Amino acid sequence: NAGVTQTPKFQVLKTGQSMTLQCAQDMNHNSMYWYRQDPGMGLRLIYYSASEGTTDKGEVPNGYNVSRLNKREFSLRLESAAPSQTSVYFCASGPLQETQYFGPGTRLLVL
Amino acid sequence: GNSVTQMEGPVTLSEEAFLTINCTYTATGYPSLFWYVQYPGEGLQLLLKATKADDKGSNKGFEATYRKETTSFHLEKGSVQVSDSAVYFCALSTLANQAGTALIFGKGTTLSVSS
Repeated sequence: NAGVTQTPKFQVLKTGQSMTLQCAQDMNHNSMYWYRQDPGMGLRLIYYSASEGTTDKGEVPNGYNVSRLNKREFSLRLESAAPSQTSVYFCASGPLQETQYFGPGTRLLVL
Repeated sequence: GNSVTQMEGPVTLSEEAFLTINCTYTATGYPSLFWYVQYPGEGLQLLLKATKADDKGSNKGFEATYRKETTSFHLEKGSVQVSDSAVYFCALSTLANQAGTALIFGKGTTLSVSS
């Protein structure tokens, strides 16, 4: 099993550009999550999907959209990137109300 | 609201020293508590967890006990190794919208172990 995979690993964008971060899991988990990690801030929840077909906002959703394409895949879209969105983005998945498993992260730099 | 506070780092130790990283929480209800570890350039990995008061989670020589009376979940290891150098995150789970579990993280504590 690959666990949780994320693409790309690293991306540089200019302000105003758009991009989609991809995440897939092969553990048949119901729930999937997107977090961002910033120095001195820990991880903060952007969006989550408790099950296929549902999505909900987390602590810091502004500037992002998500799509739960199917049970395996959960993508995060930045429609118009801003320098404040420079961060490391982690996708995670987990069985309902249980431990979460994290992907390796996507490092995003917005100039 | 729910929150996690963990000790500021970095923590610098010599190999075989005793480690304690303090973590306290504020939460309504009865959350589950976790310690995650992040090695350089990698994602987070679950280190241990406890789901109810007085439970002790343990893994790879690390331990933490869920203390409801002091709202704490301190991480300890009796003898650290250079390979334990990483960032450690304390976290708690809440019920998000009655489905799914959202994790609330502390800010992380960097541990550096020298030989």
